[in-house]
Amino acid sequence: SQTIHQWPATLVQPVGSPLSLECTVEGTSNPNLYWYRQAAGRGLQLLFYSVGIGQISSEVPQNLSASRPQDRQFILSSKKLLLSDSGFYLCAWSVPATALQSGYTFGSGTRLTVV
Amino acid sequence: LAKTTQPISMDSYEGQEVNITCSHNNIATNDYITWYQQFPSQGPRFIIQGYKTKVTNEVASLFIPADRKSSTLSLPRVSLSDTAVYYCLVGLSGAGSYQLTFGKGTKLSVIP
Repeated sequence: SQTIHQWPATLVQPVGSPLSLECTVEGTSNPNLYWYRQAAGRGLQLLFYSVGIGQISSEVPQNLSASRPQDRQFILSSKKLLLSDSGFYLCAWSVPATALQSGYTFGSGTRLTVV
Repeated sequence: LAKTTQPISMDSYEGQEVNITCSHNNIATNDYITWYQQFPSQGPRFIIQGYKTKVTNEVASLFIPADRKSSTLSLPRVSLSDTAVYYCLVGLSGAGSYQLTFGKGTKLSVIP
């Protein structure tokens, strides 16, 4: 079966510290991968998406970057966190061939608090 | 991508049918309508997707009129566990979209 793993579940980091959030997918090949962020009381904002290894597209200019070193691994990073980076970060994947039937599958999310 | 408009919140008693309507006046010919459910501190979960007329699965029904400028998610006999935020999205085509844009959704509160 297809599963998505995202960790850690919660994270408290000081301003100016680096960040690395990892997401891995199992049970599928060549997925499209996504990073979303949800600020308190707001909708989900698409940050990055990837259609293949090393292929990253950024939707919003910001203090974050993403990488896809392997087909089923997607990493969200920052060199220096800002207070405004606090939020709920979600990884998601989809397979174009089945997107019509199953949509996007989201991970369980990481609650990041920058202090 | 087509912008969607849905109520910010709704209340319902247990056992009632809940209908959440979403407006998407600028929907494109190739766009599909998708609904997600999100519980607090969890990722959204795909509920249902449709293109026109009516779609039904084990969780919900989706009604789409002929002009496709709106859609209605119908949840039969809601329970307390259906309390969540429901998002209406437009733009996921059959080939997959790289930009799935979520609004603020509709916060459904089910009352005992």
